[in-house]
Amino acid sequence: NAGVMQNPRHLVRRRGQEARLRCSPMKGHSHVYWYRQLPEEGLKFMVYLQKENIIDESGMPKERFSAEFPKEGPSILRIQQVVRGDSAAYFCASSQGLENIQYFGAGTRLSVL
Amino acid sequence: EDKVVQSPLSLVVHEGDTVTLNCSYEVTNFRSLLWYKQEKKAPTFLFMLTSSGIEKKSGRLSSILDKKELFSILNITATQTGDSAIYLCAVEARGSNYKLTFGKGTLLTVNP
Repeated sequence: NAGVMQNPRHLVRRRGQEARLRCSPMKGHSHVYWYRQLPEEGLKFMVYLQKENIIDESGMPKERFSAEFPKEGPSILRIQQVVRGDSAAYFCASSQGLENIQYFGAGTRLSVL
Repeated sequence: EDKVVQSPLSLVVHEGDTVTLNCSYEVTNFRSLLWYKQEKKAPTFLFMLTSSGIEKKSGRLSSILDKKELFSILNITATQTGDSAIYLCAVEARGSNYKLTFGKGTLLTVNP
């Protein structure tokens, strides 16, 4: 059973470009969470999604950031018009739901030049 | 706002030593506390604690929760160089849509 798969592992963008981060949850998991880890900081919750629904986006910046989890395919975290402050590691986690052990992917390290 | 504080922030020990990592928390409507190990890849799940005073154990690792004093400890006995990692503590509140609040982690270095 493959774990949570994130790609790409590393992403370099110039200021103003778009970044698209992908996350495929563990088989059988229908709940996806995105977290951001800034240098010297802990993981911070961004958004919680179930298939085709955003359940809680209270941790998402109001502008430029969006997330989706379509019926088919991976969850996507999209950052438009990236700025240097968006440089961070973005982690995805998935769970079956009620038991709520969240299993994490290896993360995408975004660098904005 | 929910809060998790881990101590120490970093720790250097020799192989064979025993270490204790601390996690204190402030959360409204506590549901669970989780420990993860983060190496240069995915944070891997270690323990989930929901009840006070019940020790969870896996090999050389063990953890216990004190809901009255609002803290948890993670013990590692007979440490090995492979235990070197960042250990993360997180809490979840009831009615919080399952989101986890993390501490900054403890960086453990085990020297041969």
